[in-house]
Amino acid sequence: DAGVTQSPTHLIKTRGQQVTLRCSPKSGHDTVSWYQQALGQGPQFIFQYYEEEERQRGNFPDRFSGHQFPNYSSELNVNALLLGDSALYLCASSWRGVGHNEQFFGPGTRLTVL
Amino acid sequence: GIQVEQSPPDLILQEGANSTLRCNFSDSVNNLQWFHQNPWGQLINLFYIPSGTKQNGRLSATTVATERYSLLYISSSQTTDSGVYFCGFKETSGSRLTFGEGTQLTVNP
Repeated sequence: DAGVTQSPTHLIKTRGQQVTLRCSPKSGHDTVSWYQQALGQGPQFIFQYYEEEERQRGNFPDRFSGHQFPNYSSELNVNALLLGDSALYLCASSWRGVGHNEQFFGPGTRLTVL
Repeated sequence: GIQVEQSPPDLILQEGANSTLRCNFSDSVNNLQWFHQNPWGQLINLFYIPSGTKQNGRLSATTVATERYSLLYISSSQTTDSGVYFCGFKETSGSRLTFGEGTQLTVNP
């Protein structure tokens, strides 16, 4: 049973560029959440996708956008990168059924903005 | 907004010692999870525990939802237990996990 997978593992970009991160959920899961973790801090919720729509959003600007595909995989897009966007980006998957909302995390994508 | 506080922020132990990590939260809980973040950054699920007590080997956890706190117990600690421990809290409405700042645990041989 494959867990949550993310790609790429590491990424280096320059200010102003755009980046796309990818996530495949755990088998049987239909919901994908994205989190940003700055160095020395806890993960911060960016948004969650279910049934190919953004269902809830954290306190992040519109430069952060996403997409969910029919196979439940998801992308996180960040436009006009800033130095402060350097962080570990974590994807979590879960199943939306009643009583089944435990989230499982992927290994993360480490983004460095120069 | 939702507040999640973890204590202590740092903990240094000798191998074999026991420890208790605490997570306080400010709202009614729907989901409470404990994670161990490995050196490569991945969050490893330890417990899904919105209420009650669970045990898994040397680790156990208790959540007292009415008093809005959860405890993670580590017994007979090993050097491989080192790392950052996070609690993630989900309130009864909404879908996000709100995390505390973590407890950095160092177990010395």
